[in-house]
Amino acid sequence: DAGVIQSPRHEVTEMGQEVTLRCKPISGHNSLFWYRQTMMRGLELLIYFNNNVPIDDSGMPEDRFSAKMPNASFSTLKIQPSEPRDSAVYFCASSLVLANYEQYFGPGTRLTVT
Amino acid sequence: RKEVEQDPGPFNVPEGATVAFNCTYSNSASQSFFWYRQDCRKEPKLLMSVYSSGNEDGRFTAQLNRASQYISLLIRDSKLSDSATYLCVVNNFQGGGSYIPTFGRGTSLIVHP
Repeated sequence: DAGVIQSPRHEVTEMGQEVTLRCKPISGHNSLFWYRQTMMRGLELLIYFNNNVPIDDSGMPEDRFSAKMPNASFSTLKIQPSEPRDSAVYFCASSLVLANYEQYFGPGTRLTVT
Repeated sequence: RKEVEQDPGPFNVPEGATVAFNCTYSNSASQSFFWYRQDCRKEPKLLMSVYSSGNEDGRFTAQLNRASQYISLLIRDSKLSDSATYLCVVNNFQGGGSYIPTFGRGTSLIVHP
């Protein structure tokens, strides 16, 4: 299996621009998670989906962030407009709920907003 | 109080040493627990699940103490390659088959020659 795939791996953008991060979960997994990691705050859960349905988005910082999962093999996290404080590594993870709830992470997208 | 707390370290130990980390959690209803390993500039990777009776995987032993609400990770015979950040994860179930995972901030381990 290819594992969780994220794109792009690196993104540098200017403040105010729209940023879209993409994730392809492991085939057959039915839960998908978006995380943000910074030195200051560690790994924070932003939102997660179960069977393509958003279950909990309480970690989404504000209305500038939105996430979608149109089908079982694809999800996006969008930031519009982006701000310098959004600079972080964004990870996507997936899990098969019945398999002891272990999560498998993608390689992450390193976002820098200038 | 944070939901999941870890000593950030770093724990600086020589090769061959035994080192242990603890992770405390605040939700007494938490139901599943894991240890992840994260190398610098890489993604977290599952190290091991933590079972109620304790479990071992080679040099690694994980234990759960529900009464005191903590999990532990013991590494025996440390190797240079064990140098990494170790994250604990606590899952709280929400019903309907869904759950909320909460990660600790991680404990940094440095194994030196």
